[in-house]
Amino acid sequence: DTGVSQDPRHKITKRGQNVTFRCDPISEHNRLYWYRQTLGQGPEFLTYFQNEAQLEKSRLLSDRFSAERPKGSFSTLEIQRTEQGDSAMYLCASSLEHSNQPQHFGDGTRLSIL
Amino acid sequence: AQSVTQLDSHVSVSEGTPVLLRCNYSSSYSPSLFWYVQHPNKGLQLLLKYTSAATLVKGINGFEAEFKKSETSFHLTKPSAHMSDAAEYFCVVSFGGYQKVTFGTGTKLQVIP
Repeated sequence: DTGVSQDPRHKITKRGQNVTFRCDPISEHNRLYWYRQTLGQGPEFLTYFQNEAQLEKSRLLSDRFSAERPKGSFSTLEIQRTEQGDSAMYLCASSLEHSNQPQHFGDGTRLSIL
Repeated sequence: AQSVTQLDSHVSVSEGTPVLLRCNYSSSYSPSLFWYVQHPNKGLQLLLKYTSAATLVKGINGFEAEFKKSETSFHLTKPSAHMSDAAEYFCVVSFGGYQKVTFGTGTKLQVIP
């Protein structure tokens, strides 16, 4: 068990640019989640996959955001035309399927918009 | 609907003294409850979980929590604080087949030498 890994750890970009983050979940976990966390707040749910199917998206996920998990393994989160308000820590988590199974988190990608 | 309330945004204790971080939840169903810890610029690490087995749950690093249905509480405790415990702690509630979770707003624990 190598844990959930996220890449990159930090991303600095200019407003208006597109960015893409990657998440590699724990290999036997079929559920994968994306969260956004701003300073001083708890993580806010963005979206969730079961295998390759995206089953739920939060209202926070505007049309500039898109997430994929094409083969049910790693996932990508893309933000197009970034805005200042997108600056945050983006966390990925994975879990086994069942409501009593905890989510295991990666160390996150910190996005800074200049 | 489910919600979770962490009653203290900041808690300060002296090293070697007990820790109490409070959490109350609201859920229409039998919940699963978790405590996570987050150190600066890191992801969240699971401390412990309650999933309708024993009401007193022991976790890592000497932490434990007690599920009290009558009080809808799941407070986190540790008998003796260590400097390395200084971090932010999140109480989390989940229910339902697809495991949607709700995070509390977090409690920052400061440990004074």
